[in-house]
Amino acid sequence: NAGVTQTPKFRVLKTGQSMTLLCAQDMNHEYMYWYRQDPGMGLRLIHYSVGEGTTAKGEVPDGYNVSRLKKQNFLLGLESAAPSQTSVYFCASSYSDFFRDGYTFGSGTRLTVV
Amino acid sequence: DQQVKQNSPSLSVQEGRISILNCDYTNSMFDYFLWYKKYPAEGPTFLISISSIKDKNEDGRFTVFLNKSAKHLSLHIVPSQPGDSAVYFCAASARFASQGGSEKLVFGKGTKLTVNP
Repeated sequence: NAGVTQTPKFRVLKTGQSMTLLCAQDMNHEYMYWYRQDPGMGLRLIHYSVGEGTTAKGEVPDGYNVSRLKKQNFLLGLESAAPSQTSVYFCASSYSDFFRDGYTFGSGTRLTVV
Repeated sequence: DQQVKQNSPSLSVQEGRISILNCDYTNSMFDYFLWYKKYPAEGPTFLISISSIKDKNEDGRFTVFLNKSAKHLSLHIVPSQPGDSAVYFCAASARFASQGGSEKLVFGKGTKLTVNP
């Protein structure tokens, strides 16, 4: 079982460049999430989706856009990257918002903006 | 304002002894709590959870205790093993809050556990 797959695993961007991070899950989960992890900051929710075609803002949405055109995919876009967006990005999914068993996370994308 | 606090950035214990990781929360509407474990270069993995209607949940070597009056929970690992060395995140949600809460998980900053052989 692949679970949650994130691509790419590593990326270096120059300030002002754009990119899209892809998250794919094969568990037929309805809910998907994008988090960022920064040293000493824990995991912070960027955007999330409660189903195909839906998106919503999380705690730190500024500078990011998302799309959920297909149930299995959740894309995170950076239109004009900034050094403050250097972080490790984690995608997660869950069957419902009642997370008795929690979220399933991907292995992360390490992004550096120079 | 941080709603879920893990005040110890790191903890070091000897193999075979007990590890106790602590977590405090401020939002009284939180009603479900989870612990995640994270190894370097991997995503967090779910470890154990507890509902606010309970004060203890046990799964093998892992036990989570909840003290609602103190807004405090702890994760006990007994006995600790070197393979337990990882970062542990506490997370909370207000799953059944009627209003003003958020069903989305709120994470603490994590505690790095090192179990020495």
